Formats: sequence, C-alpha cells, structure tokens
Amino acid sequence: DVKVTQSSRYLVKRTGEKVFLECVQDMDHENMFWYRQDPGLGLRLIYFSYDVKMKEKGDIPEGYSVSREKKERFSLILESASTNQTSMYLCASSLFQTRIHEQYFGPGTRLTVT
Amino acid sequence: AQTVTQSQPEMSVQEAETVTLSCTYDTSESNYYLFWYKQPPSRQMILVIRQEAYKQQNATENRFSVNFQKAAKSFSLKISDSQLGDTAMYFCAFMKRDGNQFYFGTGTSLTVIP
Repeated sequence: DVKVTQSSRYLVKRTGEKVFLECVQDMDHENMFWYRQDPGLGLRLIYFSYDVKMKEKGDIPEGYSVSREKKERFSLILESASTNQTSMYLCASSLFQTRIHEQYFGPGTRLTVT
Repeated sequence: AQTVTQSQPEMSVQEAETVTLSCTYDTSESNYYLFWYKQPPSRQMILVIRQEAYKQQNATENRFSVNFQKAAKSFSLKISDSQLGDTAMYFCAFMKRDGNQFYFGTGTSLTVIP
C-alpha cells in the first residue's frame, strides 16, 4: 500500500513565524502536491513537483514556497505565517503520466495561525 | 482552464437507500480522467472510482457507480445500499490525460442516517 505521511496532524503557530510542513511518500512517486482545503472552497493546489528540485506553481502559491531535495520528501514553507493561512493542508503523490493517475493523500495537517 | 462544479454542498440519505451526487465540469479537452474521492471525518482522502473519458461504459466499483455523460459534461456518483461508513465528504476531480494536475470541486458532505 502507498503511504503518504505528514509530519503533524495539528499545528498552532503565531503570526510571522516561519512554518515547515513535511510530507513523505514511500512508493517512489515522481509527482507530489500540496493543497489547502477550506470549507466551501474544496481543495486548491498550492504547488506541485514532478521531480527532485523541480516545482510548479499551482492556483494559490502566494505566501508559500516549497522544497524537494529528495524524491520521497516534499516540504511546504510558510515564510511568515498569517492568520489567513489557517487551514487544512493536504499532501498527495502520484506516478508520472501513467494510466493509473491516482493521487494518494496524506492525513492532513490542520494549521492554526494566531 | 478546467472547472469542476458540485452544486450540492450537503446531502443526507437513509441507511440502505440510494443517493446520487452531482458533478459537472467544463473543459475543452477531449481526453481526460474523472474521479470521485471520499474523505471520511478525520480520515485520509481515498479514491472511490475513476472514469476514462474515452470509455463509453460507466465505471462501477461494488456499490458505487457513475453516470458519465460526456456531451453534457456531467459525472454523477450513485451510491447504492448506503451504509453508515459512507458518511463523508465527497469530491469530484478532473485531470487532463496528458497532465498531472487535478482540479477538484468544492465537495458534497454526505450523511447516512441510521
């Protein structure tokens, strides 16, 4: 079974802090994704990566950056957390352009910025 | 740009009954994939069912089936013999055949009533 893990289930940070959210997958997937999930807005793509050190902006990249130094690990960074970044963050991974195309999700990190 | 619309924010169904969740999408692509994902309360998002747009036949997975109407750009999910464990948020998603990015709807919260 594919396993996608996220470093924290719940996180509370103060405004202005630098925040790191970590995601690790164990199935040698090329693609990794970061989404934020908000009620009534569904899942919105922040960034994705299709290879080590490669990244592409999604629909809402402002205020976020990412890092992919190793294939299995994809980090989301909030350089200076703000209250409007309070949300559920979901990581996902998938194989690159195969017939399967399924995305596998982590359990999510619920981030509260106070 | 691709958009996915789920017009039913909340639905409920009696246990053992059948329920249909609606999804429409907008795209100029001719080859693509459609998915339904399920997110149980406080649990990981998992794939329920997928449909390849070039296939005429509607996908089926046990109690879950889809009604795919390509011309109408409609992709509804039917859950038969609803069970308490079907209580979850359901997301419809679209992906271009030669792409890696998913586009998600805003979700439908389904409650199965005992």
